[in-house]
Amino acid sequence: NAGVTQTPKFRVLKTGQSMTLLCAQDMNHEYMYWYRQDPGMGLRLIHYSVGEGTTAKGEVPDGYNVSRLKKQNFLLGLESAAPSQTSVYFCASTHKYRTSGVYNEQFFGPGTRLTVL
Amino acid sequence: RKEVEQDPGPFNVPEGATVAFNCTYSNSASQSFFWYRQDCRKEPKLLMSVYSSGNEDGRFTAQLNRASQYISLLIRDSKLSDSATYLCAVNGRPMNTGFQKLVFGTGTRLLVSP
Repeated sequence: NAGVTQTPKFRVLKTGQSMTLLCAQDMNHEYMYWYRQDPGMGLRLIHYSVGEGTTAKGEVPDGYNVSRLKKQNFLLGLESAAPSQTSVYFCASTHKYRTSGVYNEQFFGPGTRLTVL
Repeated sequence: RKEVEQDPGPFNVPEGATVAFNCTYSNSASQSFFWYRQDCRKEPKLLMSVYSSGNEDGRFTAQLNRASQYISLLIRDSKLSDSATYLCAVNGRPMNTGFQKLVFGTGTRLLVSP
């Protein structure tokens, strides 16, 4: 199993350009997440999905859109990139909660390093 | 107050030393606790879950103190390969959607030297 994969691994954009980050998982996980990680800020949740066709906003959703048309894929879009979106982006997935508040392990992809000039 | 807080370190220790990290959390209703390890420029990977009774995996021991709302990670007989950043994760308060996200600390950096 490949686990969680992300493409691309690196990208440099100019302000105003758009791009899509692709996340794929082969573990049949119901939940998928997009995080960004910045120095001193930790992992911050951008958007998440609890199932195919459903997405919701996390704590820092502005400037990003997502789609989950297939259970195994979760796409993160930047419509008009800004320098503040320079970050490392991680996708993660997990099985749905067994009971409320009791989590399963989150598996992370290798990350995408994005620089916006 | 942040939902989850960690001392960023770095903790510089010699090989063979014992080192401990703490992670405090603010949501008294949290039920799930984890320690993740993150190597430089890599993704976080689960090191261990933290159970109410505490748990041990080789040189690593994790404890939960509900009364004081913190979890701890103890590493015995440190190896050079233990050098990494250790992130704690705790389930946070429900968001507007009712969903409880996992809240990660900013990490504690450990440097083990020969």
